Amino acid sequence: DVVMTQSPLSLPVTLGQSASISCRSSQSLVYSDGNAYLNWFHQRPGQSPRRLIYKVSNRDSGVPDRFSGSGSGTDFTLTINRVEAEDVGVYYCMQSTQWPLAFGGGTKVEIK
Amino acid sequence: QIQLVESGGGVVQPGRSLRLSCAASGFTFSSHVMHWVRQAPGKGLNWVATISYDGGNIFYADSVKGRFTISRDNAENTLYLQMNSLRAEDTAVYLCARGGIFTEYWAMDPWGQGTLVTVSS
Repeated sequence: DVVMTQSPLSLPVTLGQSASISCRSSQSLVYSDGNAYLNWFHQRPGQSPRRLIYKVSNRDSGVPDRFSGSGSGTDFTLTINRVEAEDVGVYYCMQSTQWPLAFGGGTKVEIK
Repeated sequence: QIQLVESGGGVVQPGRSLRLSCAASGFTFSSHVMHWVRQAPGKGLNWVATISYDGGNIFYADSVKGRFTISRDNAENTLYLQMNSLRAEDTAVYLCARGGIFTEYWAMDPWGQGTLVTVSS
């Protein structure tokens, strides 16, 4: 099974500054079609998750361009530029390349 | 707009059963993969089960295999999760999420608000 490891566990950030979250998979997430099915989700306190990024770097509709995803193979990064107050919450990566689907443990972003 | 509304949660004793529902609207339910994901109190997300658009392909996490059954009624636009032999560690908010078209299992968006299942004596 693929294990997803996120770091850091907690990320205090200053408003207006940038933040980066790392996600590593125990196996390559590249599928036979050449795509890597790595997704990023954001969960605000008391809300259900919302997908931000799919297939490594594709932003979902309505997601600010302050959010960007990058990476390949087993190493992936979510970057938030110019952090805003509404960005607080927990961010999860998830691989959907192979069964069983697997989430990272989450990174809690808070404002300093 | 797309809506996913879960129901059926509650408090249940260990060993008993519960059936969850996820009512879908705002999209062509019969064309989409559907997922169940759970989140224990204060913990992260864990994938539970996935079903293809027509119910022909089903996948389970090892932790629920043999105890949980995912199914769907495309005529009623409803996804189900039958949970048997419940254990304390099944206590969680259960969320349904829409997958991709037909057999695009990789997608997971949007999500419902979830229904809380508490397994306790």
